[in-house]
Amino acid sequence: SQQGEEDPQALSIQEGENATMNCSYKTSINNLQWYRQNSGRGLVHLILIRSNEREKHSGRLRVTLDTSKKSSSLLITASRAADTASYFCATDAAGTYKYIFGTGTRLKVLA
Amino acid sequence: DAGVIQSPRHEVTEMGQEVTLRCKPISGHNSLFWYRQTMMRGLELLIYFNNNVPIDDSGMPEDRFSAKMPNASFSTLKIQPSEPRDSAVYFCASSLAGTEKLFFGSGTQLSVL
Repeated sequence: SQQGEEDPQALSIQEGENATMNCSYKTSINNLQWYRQNSGRGLVHLILIRSNEREKHSGRLRVTLDTSKKSSSLLITASRAADTASYFCATDAAGTYKYIFGTGTRLKVLA
Repeated sequence: DAGVIQSPRHEVTEMGQEVTLRCKPISGHNSLFWYRQTMMRGLELLIYFNNNVPIDDSGMPEDRFSAKMPNASFSTLKIQPSEPRDSAVYFCASSLAGTEKLFFGSGTQLSVL
């Protein structure tokens, strides 16, 4: 079964608004990653946060991690139409390099 | 670097036929992963290799599926015999140990009729 579950499953916002996606997982982890997938393409790595970190920024991306709740959130600020894609969290069971992906959030940014 | 290269990009076959999917990881990467993506099940990890050795194949659905990595620059995923429920997009990804960042290929869209 999958390690991570994202919510919402789908999100539609206007260009310029912020988009927040959440990920919950089940077991202890070494790190959590977020990936983006454009329609018909492979996944692209966005950002990685380690289990001893609480927040990380990269450009318009902000990721938080709460290991006590086994959850993470991805915030995309000032969204653009080009941000339209599916977003997945991926976790590795601690002690392994086995990366399990969540169910994904489909984000649609309307121009 | 050309990135992770998968072939073929699309494969249409009939039930019962053998299917072989191919992957060339990024040069220097020593971990390789095979994933399957469907609408119903999302992204499923099938198997991963470290230094050409299969580490975990618990995600391989059944004996009809097999994967090999004869050398650091090539891997195959074989389905024999194929069934309609195998229809999916199959992704290969590679990473450099210690970086944890996966690089994905463009995938193979498999349709089994």
